[in-house]
Amino acid sequence: AQSVSQHNHHVILSEAASLELGCNYSYGGTVNLFWYVQYPGQHLQLLLKYFSGDPLVKGIKGFEAEFIKSKFSFNLRKPSVQWSDTAEYFCAVTSGSARQLTFGSGTQLTVLP
Amino acid sequence: GAVVSQHPSRVICKSGTSVKIECRSLDFQATTMFWYRQFPKQSLMLMATSNEGSKATYEQGVEKDKFLINHASLTLSTLTVTSAHPEDSSFYICSARDTRGASGEQYFGPGTRLTVT
Repeated sequence: AQSVSQHNHHVILSEAASLELGCNYSYGGTVNLFWYVQYPGQHLQLLLKYFSGDPLVKGIKGFEAEFIKSKFSFNLRKPSVQWSDTAEYFCAVTSGSARQLTFGSGTQLTVLP
Repeated sequence: GAVVSQHPSRVICKSGTSVKIECRSLDFQATTMFWYRQFPKQSLMLMATSNEGSKATYEQGVEKDKFLINHASLTLSTLTVTSAHPEDSSFYICSARDTRGASGEQYFGPGTRLTVT
């Protein structure tokens, strides 16, 4: 069975700091990878996704993620965070023929003004 | 973009009663919808996969007789929590898979907060 690990449970940064949130998955075959964001009181929104091709994926709001197959990782990055980036971030994966998303435990990002 | 709605957004019910939650895809058809449960400060846990016109597929440990799922049309799936108990209090989220695109991206509803007293 596939699983997703997010090792950072809570990250606190000051505005303009750089961000990197870790995501590792366990599955040996073909995977589709996602990052979702959940702003306070709002529903999940897709930040970016990787299916194939260029392993460096650019998403909305200045976020990007890099798929490193050898490390089974899909870390999320942003060069300069803003206060409005305060939210919960979830990494998720589908694998093989499975249509279901498996979510990581989430990382709460707090950006201090 | 694709929109998924849930109704109600918040419901409080007494122990022993049943609650129905609706999930609708507003501007696309979804042969597959998913139901998740999210506990405070935790991740989303997949409960079941709802397939239009057929029985839902439940994840291990989810009681299918307690969480009844019906997917009667391409735009509507319902989750009924039967004989609810306080431990069923949670945030229930649905998502709908857009069948138009090759990626089959999932779009999430805003969630339903269930409180059982």
